[in-house]
Amino acid sequence: KQEVTQIPAALSVPEGENLVLNCSFTDSAIYNLQWFRQDPGKGLTSLLLIQSSQREQTSGRLNASLDKSSGRSTLYIAASQPGDSATYLCASWTGANNLFFGTGTRLTVIP
Amino acid sequence: DAGVIQSPRHEVTEMGQEVTLRCKPISGHNSLFWYRQTMMRGLELLIYFNNNVPIDDSGMPEDRFSAKMPNASFSTLKIQPSEPRDSAVYFCASRLTGALAFFGQGTRLTVV
Repeated sequence: KQEVTQIPAALSVPEGENLVLNCSFTDSAIYNLQWFRQDPGKGLTSLLLIQSSQREQTSGRLNASLDKSSGRSTLYIAASQPGDSATYLCASWTGANNLFFGTGTRLTVIP
Repeated sequence: DAGVIQSPRHEVTEMGQEVTLRCKPISGHNSLFWYRQTMMRGLELLIYFNNNVPIDDSGMPEDRFSAKMPNASFSTLKIQPSEPRDSAVYFCASRLTGALAFFGQGTRLTVV
């Protein structure tokens, strides 16, 4: 069974700082990797999807990378803003169309 | 498109009662997923459907849980009888194979 780990569990940064969130997975035979954000008491918002053949995806201030061989993905957030405060979850898609989630990193951007 | 729509948003019920959660996936998506989120266990896959057919229900915790997808635009997750330990947020998600998965806003279930 795929195990997805996210470190750190919580992170606080001052506004304007660039930051990196880490995700690691045990089974490198993934199909895709997806990053989500979840605001308190809300659902999950899809951020980026990286296909297994890709190494990175960018959307605005977000950049996600994927290294299948090492079982790692990172989410880079540039010029962080207080509105970026949320829990960020990475999840890996397996060939069986199953999506395994990490436990998330709770990000707080301090104004 | 309005996204994945779940109802109700909140449900409070007494132990032993039947609970039915509903989901309308995004039109055109061929896979539908039911997840449960708790503080202790995070997000857990309960069951998923592909083209309305249940593919993997190994995550369904007990026989008290059942899910159906009678057509491409509707799915239900039923708990009968409900227990306090079933209290959680239940999410429905849909996707087109290989593409982004989109989640609903969730149903917060409280069993007292």
